[in-house]
Amino acid sequence: KQEVTQIPAALSVPEGENLVLNCSFTDSAIYNLQWFRQDPGKGLTSLLLIQSSQREQTSGRLNASLDKSSGRSTLYIAASQPGDSATYLCAVRRGGSYIPTFGRGTSLIVHP
Amino acid sequence: DAGVTQSPTHLIKTRGQQVTLRCSPKSGHDTVSWYQQALGQGPQFIFQYYEEEERQRGNFPDRFSGHQFPNYSSELNVNALLLGDSALYLCASSFGRDTGELFFGEGSRLTVL
Repeated sequence: KQEVTQIPAALSVPEGENLVLNCSFTDSAIYNLQWFRQDPGKGLTSLLLIQSSQREQTSGRLNASLDKSSGRSTLYIAASQPGDSATYLCAVRRGGSYIPTFGRGTSLIVHP
Repeated sequence: DAGVTQSPTHLIKTRGQQVTLRCSPKSGHDTVSWYQQALGQGPQFIFQYYEEEERQRGNFPDRFSGHQFPNYSSELNVNALLLGDSALYLCASSFGRDTGELFFGEGSRLTVL
């Protein structure tokens, strides 16, 4: 059974800092990994999708990397802004399964 | 290009009642998945519909049922509501037999009193 862990659970930083959010998974036979952002009481917004054959994906100030052998993905946020404040979740889909397993998320606060 | 839409956005029910939540997938998508998210938790998978059939089901009781229509929209029904069913219910859509990127709606917030 795939287990997904996100550390830290919460993070508070001043504006402008570069951040790294971590996602660990127990089964390295993954199909893909997707990062999401969730604002309070809202749905999930897709940020980046990394296929199993890829090492990283970039979108604007966001960069996600994938290391299957160590069971880790990191989401790098450059030059953080107050608007980045949200909960960030990763979802890992194992090969042979249609359904991803979600972590509990990292709650990020970027203060001015 | 319309994204995933869900209705209603909020609703309040009492224990023992029944509720129906609705979801329209993103244009071009044919697969719909339903998730339950309690406060401070990650989404928990309920079931997935593809080609109008339940393709996979998570660890939820039979009180939770669903349906997918020919236009790919979907409903989630919950019978005999319990206080513990209070949560944000999320619908996600994707394309194809081999689901790739998931897109979520804004969710339906259910409160059971």
